[in-house]
Amino acid sequence: SAVISQKPSRDICQRGTSLTIQCQVDSQVTMMFWYRQQPGQSLTLIATANQGSEATYESGFVIDKFPISRPNLTFSTLTVSNMSPEDSSIYLCSVAYSDGQPQHFGDGTRLSIL
Amino acid sequence: QQQVKQSPQSLIVQKGGISIINCAYENTAFDYFPWYQQFPGKGPALLIAIRPDVSEKKEGRFTISFNKSAKQFSLHIMDSQPGDSATYFCAPMNTGNQFYFGTGTSLTVIP
Repeated sequence: SAVISQKPSRDICQRGTSLTIQCQVDSQVTMMFWYRQQPGQSLTLIATANQGSEATYESGFVIDKFPISRPNLTFSTLTVSNMSPEDSSIYLCSVAYSDGQPQHFGDGTRLSIL
Repeated sequence: QQQVKQSPQSLIVQKGGISIINCAYENTAFDYFPWYQQFPGKGPALLIAIRPDVSEKKEGRFTISFNKSAKQFSLHIMDSQPGDSATYFCAPMNTGNQFYFGTGTSLTVIP
């Protein structure tokens, strides 16, 4: 399966600032996704990162708050903008080689907002 | 995402025992039924999965049982080991690779 690297692995940020999380895959993949997971909770899909076009956001998530880029088939970024303590969470990148194939996850970015 | 209900929320099993986790779904468009295993500080990892054309799949100590008419599938861990202690998620998928994660089951295997 794919080797997925997320950077940073953790960060502590000040309220009102923004952080960009990077997701790098060791091989080309068709689909890339971003999730949020509160500690001890399930995963919630934020958006599907589309190469060469705007990301597809789930209900409750907007581009102004979570801008996403995907410049090629191996890399994507998620920015958490104007952060508040409610944004403290684990952010996970996942990939799938094609439609109908399982998703594989990175180890996540643990974000704390002071 | 109320389409998936997972139970129990937590489970404590003696070493060597059988762990059983259940997942009930509503959406008949789901066509892929995986279980993910997550250790603290790690992302979820695909453990085992089944397609709806079979009723059971076994990989080592892990078995998925699938009941299409009841819209349920379950994970059985035979001879449970302390190393199996983790959180388990069912995550049925429809076309378009959209997963619907269950609420998770925290499994503790006591030595």
